[in-house]
Amino acid sequence: EIVMTQSPATLSVSPGERATLSCRASQSVSSNLAWYQQKPGQAPRLLIYGASTRATGIPARFSGSGSGTEFTLTISSLQSEDFAVYYCQQYNSWPPWTFGQGTKVGIK
Amino acid sequence: EVQLVESGGGLVQPGRSLRLSCAASGFTFDDYAMHWVRQAPGKGLEWVSGISWNSGSRAYADSVKGRFTISRDNAKNSLYLQMNSLRAEDTALYYCAKDTYAADRSPSWGQGTLVTVSS
Repeated sequence: EIVMTQSPATLSVSPGERATLSCRASQSVSSNLAWYQQKPGQAPRLLIYGASTRATGIPARFSGSGSGTEFTLTISSLQSEDFAVYYCQQYNSWPPWTFGQGTKVGIK
Repeated sequence: EVQLVESGGGLVQPGRSLRLSCAASGFTFDDYAMHWVRQAPGKGLEWVSGISWNSGSRAYADSVKGRFTISRDNAKNSLYLQMNSLRAEDTALYYCAKDTYAADRSPSWGQGTLVTVSS
């Protein structure tokens, strides 16, 4: 099973600042990596797929990079609506799909 | 536009059964593997089960193996999860999810259906 490890677990950021979230895979997942945003009471929302492609309707302030085992999600200038939990997911191979444990982005 | 609509959740007693359904539209259903993912209250995301496009491969998380059965009906563009011998720890939001295929590298999820196992 491919283990996905996200860091940090919690990130405190001021509005307008840049946030950088990391995700590491225990073995290569090529570029088959997605990032999701989840707010309380809502389903996960796809932000990035293919490690770096923004999903439909996602603002340009969200960007993804990396391949193989190291991935990064960057939010260039945090808006109030961006405070949420972010998950990475590998879909390179199953079983199983695997997820990181999440990074909670909170207001500093 | 891809749409995945789950149904069948509800309150059920421990040891009983429940069948979840997922109605798919907006894509060629029988090209794609499909999955169920769940999220217990206050917890992270957990893959539950997956099925290949032609039902030839099916897989389960260890936590549900022997109790849950995934199936699909390509003629009806539908995915199912039969859940038997339910336990309190199966309480979660269950999401139906579409895998990727060929040039379509974007997974997609439904909005989920809530399963509560309690006496």
